Amino acid sequence: EPEVTQTPSHQVTQMGQEVILRCVPISNHLYFYWYRQILGQKVEFLVSFYNNEISEKSEIFDDRFSVERPDGSNFTLKIRSTKLEDSAMYFCASSYGQGETQYFGPGTRLLVL
Amino acid sequence: AQRVTQPEKLLSVFKGAPVELKCNYSYSGSPELFWYVQYSRQRLQLLLRHISRESIKGFTADLNKGETSFHLKKPFAQEEDSAMYYCAIGAGSYQLTFGKGTKLSVIP
Repeated sequence: EPEVTQTPSHQVTQMGQEVILRCVPISNHLYFYWYRQILGQKVEFLVSFYNNEISEKSEIFDDRFSVERPDGSNFTLKIRSTKLEDSAMYFCASSYGQGETQYFGPGTRLLVL
Repeated sequence: AQRVTQPEKLLSVFKGAPVELKCNYSYSGSPELFWYVQYSRQRLQLLLRHISRESIKGFTADLNKGETSFHLKKPFAQEEDSAMYYCAIGAGSYQLTFGKGTKLSVIP
């Protein structure tokens, strides 16, 4: 069964640095998402992406965040000027259609020191 | 804005006992409700969604619009059911809004 994959599984960075989190969605899916989960808190929506543009974003997704689908398979989340409070588990998800089941990747644990 | 409430952070039951994980939501329209499960060290997986009305691994959930609830139930808990359970709502937009999750611990 196809799955969403994410790399790296863990990322440690210094405050102020840039990180890129990578995701490979399920191949025939058209909608892509990023969520995050700060330790001990709930899973929070960051952004959705469809047809090569952002379709929706939350207030967490400020101008330090950006997403890109650089080729036909990868979907990336870039965080510039990282802050301590960006430390979290970041989940990528994909779905075939809007409102359809979202399939999640295993997550990337980001630690900002 | 939509909101999901899971009032129990932790629920412990004995093997073979019935399980009910509570979920209440707030949304004025017709929501899509989901239960996701996360086993230890694994990804979030869809357990069930109300529109499909399926029973997965013996779990069922009924949408009660009057009480705005979507409680997850299983008549006889198994040890392998121990996991984090998240209720989520998809409310006419792209995002899922999750509850804080309930950790189910099934005691042998």
